[in-house]
Amino acid sequence: NAGVTQTPKFQVLKTGQSMTLQCAQDMNHEYMSWYRQDPGMGLRLIHYSVGAGITDQGEVPNGYNVSRSTTEDFPLRLLSAAPSQTSVYFCASSPSGQGEETQYFGPGTRLLVL
Amino acid sequence: AQKVTQAQTEISVVEKEDVTLDCVYETRDTTYYLFWYKQPPSGELVFLIRRNSFDEQNEISGRYSWNFQKSTSSFNFTITASQVVDSAVYFCALSGDRGSTLGRLYFGRGTQLTVWP
Repeated sequence: NAGVTQTPKFQVLKTGQSMTLQCAQDMNHEYMSWYRQDPGMGLRLIHYSVGAGITDQGEVPNGYNVSRSTTEDFPLRLLSAAPSQTSVYFCASSPSGQGEETQYFGPGTRLLVL
Repeated sequence: AQKVTQAQTEISVVEKEDVTLDCVYETRDTTYYLFWYKQPPSGELVFLIRRNSFDEQNEISGRYSWNFQKSTSSFNFTITASQVVDSAVYFCALSGDRGSTLGRLYFGRGTQLTVWP
């Protein structure tokens, strides 16, 4: 049971490049989400999904796309990277997204956009 | 609106001192949940505790204790006899049960705790 996994661990992009951050979980969780962490800002929600085929925007969705074709995977796509997207990205999952559930976080992806 | 405030940006203590990390929250939900996460220098987020809004009992786990007070909208975290390994960023977070906030964690900005030997 690997929990929540994220790849890559580190990535350097040039402005304008696109890439996909991968997230997978093996706990059969319906709810998955992406957060970004910036210095002094805590974590902010980018997008989330309550199940396969269902996604919605969080607090800071601009510049990111998501899709959820399977229960296990929830990739985050940067369409045209900008320096403002330099951040640490965390994927999280929980059984159904109910407030009382503990969310399990992946190890994070550090992204630098030059 | 949901909001979590951690007013202490950085705290430094010497080993064996007790330290309290403050967390103040705002919510309109009747039922809500409060969390503490630890982020050590390695970067991962480690879940520490969850508290339901209808359970105001304080909790102790080893050197860690949590004081939940609805009257002051606070959920403070105390480390007794701190150790160097406690050095980390600590996040307080809030979640609710309403539709628009379902599943979403609202994080404070974190408190960097440094414990010196």
